[in-house]
Amino acid sequence: AQSVTQLDSQVPVFEEAPVELRCNYSSSVSVYLFWYVQYPNQGLQLLLKYLSGSTLVKGINGFEAEFNKSQTSFHLRKPSVHISDTAEYFCAVSDTGGFKTIFGAGTRLFVKA
Amino acid sequence: DAGVIQSPRHEVTEMGQEVTLRCKPISGHDYLFWYRQTMMRGLELLIYFNNNVPIDDSGMPEDRFSAKMPNASFSTLKIQPSEPRDSAVYFCASSRQGDSPLHFGNGTRLTVT
Repeated sequence: AQSVTQLDSQVPVFEEAPVELRCNYSSSVSVYLFWYVQYPNQGLQLLLKYLSGSTLVKGINGFEAEFNKSQTSFHLRKPSVHISDTAEYFCAVSDTGGFKTIFGAGTRLFVKA
Repeated sequence: DAGVIQSPRHEVTEMGQEVTLRCKPISGHDYLFWYRQTMMRGLELLIYFNNNVPIDDSGMPEDRFSAKMPNASFSTLKIQPSEPRDSAVYFCASSRQGDSPLHFGNGTRLTVT
């Protein structure tokens, strides 16, 4: 079974500052990794995904994440955030043999002017 | 592509009543998932289908919950009888295959009084 830990429940940051949202996972098998974003009163939308290959993955809205197998981490980064990035961000994992996607508890990113 | 469509967006009902939530997945997607989101427990996978067949219902909380997928374009999640602790946002999501990301609907906000 897999599990996902998002280390920060809330991250306040000033506009144009860099941000990192941390995610660690545990699994006994190979996994696919995802980051999703949820805006108020909406469903989740995919930001980026890691399936295989390059460990640095680029997504939409200037976000990127790096897969680190030895540290079982998949941290999300953005070099300069905007007010519009204020949302909840979810890290997720699914094993490559099955199709259950398990989500972390979420990190609320709050961008201040 | 109209996306995943859920209805109703909001449902308010009294304890003991039957509640039916509906979902239309994206055409061509073979997998359909039902999730429940609460502040306390985050996003929980309730059940998922592959080609209209329930594959894993281990997340369904109890026998009061049931889900069906009579055809590739429609699924229901039913709660009978409903209880106040069932109050949550229920999301339906679909995907093309195991390594594809999930596409979420906008959710149904259920309030049981």
